[in-house]
Amino acid sequence: AQSVTQLGSHVSVSEGALVLLRCNYSSSVPPYLFWYVQYPNQGLQLLLKYTSAATLVKGINGFEAEFKKSETSFHLTKPSAHMSDAAEYFCAVYGAGKSTFGDGTTLTVKP
Amino acid sequence: GAVVSQHPSRVICKSGTSVKIECRSLDFQATTMFWYRQFPKKSLMLMATSNEGSKATYEQGVEKDKFLINHASLTLSTLTVTSAHPEDSSFYICSAARQGGTEAFFGQGTRLTVV
Repeated sequence: AQSVTQLGSHVSVSEGALVLLRCNYSSSVPPYLFWYVQYPNQGLQLLLKYTSAATLVKGINGFEAEFKKSETSFHLTKPSAHMSDAAEYFCAVYGAGKSTFGDGTTLTVKP
Repeated sequence: GAVVSQHPSRVICKSGTSVKIECRSLDFQATTMFWYRQFPKKSLMLMATSNEGSKATYEQGVEKDKFLINHASLTLSTLTVTSAHPEDSSFYICSAARQGGTEAFFGQGTRLTVV
């Protein structure tokens, strides 16, 4: 069985501040991990993915995430938040032939 | 990258009618397709998993007679919401995966409104 826990359903940062969205996973097989972003009334957009290559993964829009097996974590970061980053973010694990999503984190960016 | 096209993006139907949503993998063969439902401000809830040529496997609590899933080919799966009611209004998202793949690819979603 696999599961994903996103710590913090709402995160608020100021424009230009560091963004940190937390994700912990549980998987009985080597995990394939993903971060998606969803803007209102739109589908999912893949930000980045970890598929057992480099543990530090760089994605689009300046986001990156680090896979830490010892901590079973895959936290998403961005050095400097932009107003356009305000959205819903989902961490997901793909294994045993299906995707399992966290509950999502709403990122608010204050001017 | 692999592309999944979902159609329509928005649909409004009258209560009691049926509506079909299509999910196509455009540049790969999808041995498995997934259908999700997303409620406002909520995460994606897996409704069912379908393998090409087989009956879909529904998650607990999902009415298989209301949400008919057909995966007739390696590039097309359809979700038909039968006798739709206002409570079926939601955002539906499909995804598709290759056999032995390391990820699923998502469609753009369909906003269903039942009036």
